Amino acid sequence: GAGVSQTPSNKVTEKGKYVELRCDPISGHTALYWYRQSLGQGPEFLIYFQGTGAADDSGLPNDRFFAVRPEGSVSTLKIQRTERGDSAVYLCASSLAAGTAEAFFGQGTRLTVV
Amino acid sequence: KNEVEQSPQNLTAQEGEFITINCSYSVGISALHWLQQHPGGGIVSLFMLSSGKKKHGRLIATINIQEKHSSLHITASHPRDSAVYICAVKLLYGGSQGNLIFGKGTKLSVKP
Repeated sequence: GAGVSQTPSNKVTEKGKYVELRCDPISGHTALYWYRQSLGQGPEFLIYFQGTGAADDSGLPNDRFFAVRPEGSVSTLKIQRTERGDSAVYLCASSLAAGTAEAFFGQGTRLTVV
Repeated sequence: KNEVEQSPQNLTAQEGEFITINCSYSVGISALHWLQQHPGGGIVSLFMLSSGKKKHGRLIATINIQEKHSSLHITASHPRDSAVYICAVKLLYGGSQGNLIFGKGTKLSVKP
């Protein structure tokens, strides 16, 4: 596609439920990043993929969070047993390569856990 | 202390005014991004720079590596410029290659 696409744009879920957030990067971009932005804060790093593998998952807050990118393109961020504190905007970005290549951001998924 | 500090936190301007948003950082960086975020969350990358100055339309971004400081300028501001402007840096050492550190953003409101 022309840009980074994230679906859904909004997700409301009940506490304790499982959710999946999808990111479709720009075609050909090997690097893919997930960030989380809480209200009034700047985005914070969650995980970074280079191809199919997670090069750095040090930002994932706990083991309820998991992300995959099985074919090196689309990525899914999975959250188990959601908590109200998980409510945030989840941002995805991709770049042609890692290092100094410019990152392009998606529109984000606004997750609300009620 | 945050590694990336932006000022001001909030800024209200009249249409047509010249606007400056500042970003200071305390770490060695390989690049600095200026991002624009509209209500609803979507982020648009405005500039990525590692030295000097870049210009795109009414937007100008400068960076001084020695002083660890960058500025984003908007000339002839317009209400459609109203958004949150975020500075983000890519670490030169440490972290992963994908790790951007973000400032908290500057909320700009341009009144007609």
